Amino acid sequence: EVQLVESGGGLIQPGGSLRLSCAASGFTVSSNYMNWVRQAPGKGLEWVSVIYSGTGTYYADSVKGRFTISRDNSKNTLYLQMNSLRAEDTAVYYCARGIVPPGSSSLWFDYWGQGALVTVSS
Amino acid sequence: SYVLTQPPSVSVAPGKPASVTCGGVNIGNKSVHWYQQKPGQAPVLVIYSDTDRPSGIPERFSASNSGNTATLTINRVEAGDEAAYFCQVWDGSSDHPVVFGGGTRLTVL
Repeated sequence: EVQLVESGGGLIQPGGSLRLSCAASGFTVSSNYMNWVRQAPGKGLEWVSVIYSGTGTYYADSVKGRFTISRDNSKNTLYLQMNSLRAEDTAVYYCARGIVPPGSSSLWFDYWGQGALVTVSS
Repeated sequence: SYVLTQPPSVSVAPGKPASVTCGGVNIGNKSVHWYQQKPGQAPVLVIYSDTDRPSGIPERFSASNSGNTATLTINRVEAGDEAAYFCQVWDGSSDHPVVFGGGTRLTVL
């Protein structure tokens, strides 16, 4: 059974750092397109970052230069290192598995974690 | 980057059909995916690749995509369908490859 379990959320002061983890089971993180998607309170979904099954990584403009996505293949875990946090980064952060079928030019998210709440406030 | 536009809200009576639209420039040339999100829960995939339903999603959920509009249709709406619905596309050639629509809250009257 596929499962994604996020951890590491919490209350952090502006300018601080936090690292989110997403422990995966039932599949191999390194073989998939793994993503972070966030949702500010009462708002819509905002894609944050993706790490490809190779080494490629991409970020939303709003977090570029401050956030870093990575994975530990030995732990089958995805991470999001968040630095220089701002109030507008307050959100529930979801990790999600992206599916890109062979020969397809599209990606969708078939499994999501339960989310980790990050609150940036003094 | 690519923009997807959804109406903020749609209301429908139980048993009636509901349509949620997702607008984008030439969206018919892209593959559109739809998610349902109930309050306090993670999103759930309900449609992928324009028209396909994941296993476990009722046949009442269907979708289409043409021109500048993709549409999610829910037939015979039930109270349990009340949720926010988000469309999503992938632009692999972009530095910002994943785009979500702003979401539509479906209210069952």
